[in-house]
Amino acid sequence: DSGVTQTPKHLITATGQRVTLRCSPRSGDLSVYWYQQSLDQGLQFLIQYYNGEERAKGNILERFSAQQFPDLHSELNLSSLELGDSALYFCASSVGVTGTGNEKLFFGSGTQLSVL
Amino acid sequence: QKEVEQDPGPLSVPEGAIVSLNCTYSNSAFQYFMWYRQYSRKGPELLMYTYSSGNKEDGRFTAQVDKSSKYISLFIRDSQPSDSATYLCAMSGPDDYKLSFGAGTTVTVRA
Repeated sequence: DSGVTQTPKHLITATGQRVTLRCSPRSGDLSVYWYQQSLDQGLQFLIQYYNGEERAKGNILERFSAQQFPDLHSELNLSSLELGDSALYFCASSVGVTGTGNEKLFFGSGTQLSVL
Repeated sequence: QKEVEQDPGPLSVPEGAIVSLNCTYSNSAFQYFMWYRQYSRKGPELLMYTYSSGNKEDGRFTAQVDKSSKYISLFIRDSQPSDSATYLCAMSGPDDYKLSFGAGTTVTVRA
């Protein structure tokens, strides 16, 4: 058990809908990262938060947004869903931020999103 | 060209064999190198972490980094069926905001 909690484990929804994925980081970790994993794209970095502030954006679509709350949990919001958004969405946490020696990311078990 | 190249395999070996995995990369600024293990439909789990060049050993696992060749390796000795998983290399450099992951190599250890 990595200590990172993601809910829900599975989500089935229809095109055009909006969903929210939730992540609780490990105790003491200030950074939260969101990754998308699909068969053809591998692990793709979406967005990073550090202590409530957005630190970096990767390949995140404008239809997607995220935030980190004062208690450090994070939510990833996906709207106007398309078939191609079906993927595994992972949250990871770390003590500090990447690029400073704090590269050890601990991943949750993921949310499997199926858009029908 | 991808920043990190990793042969997706699949790789199938008999129990007890040595598993050899590797990644090449193009960014000479990378200095933090990791290997993650991912079981089917689970989150990646950090296996090995290495800073800069050199070797690191942890039980049956050995990680090697050759920065001059931009090449990293993971060796698994005395492989077990429980080692069957996808292995992802990951790396980053100073001030990188993200880890760059390889595509992952799927390994099956046959009993």
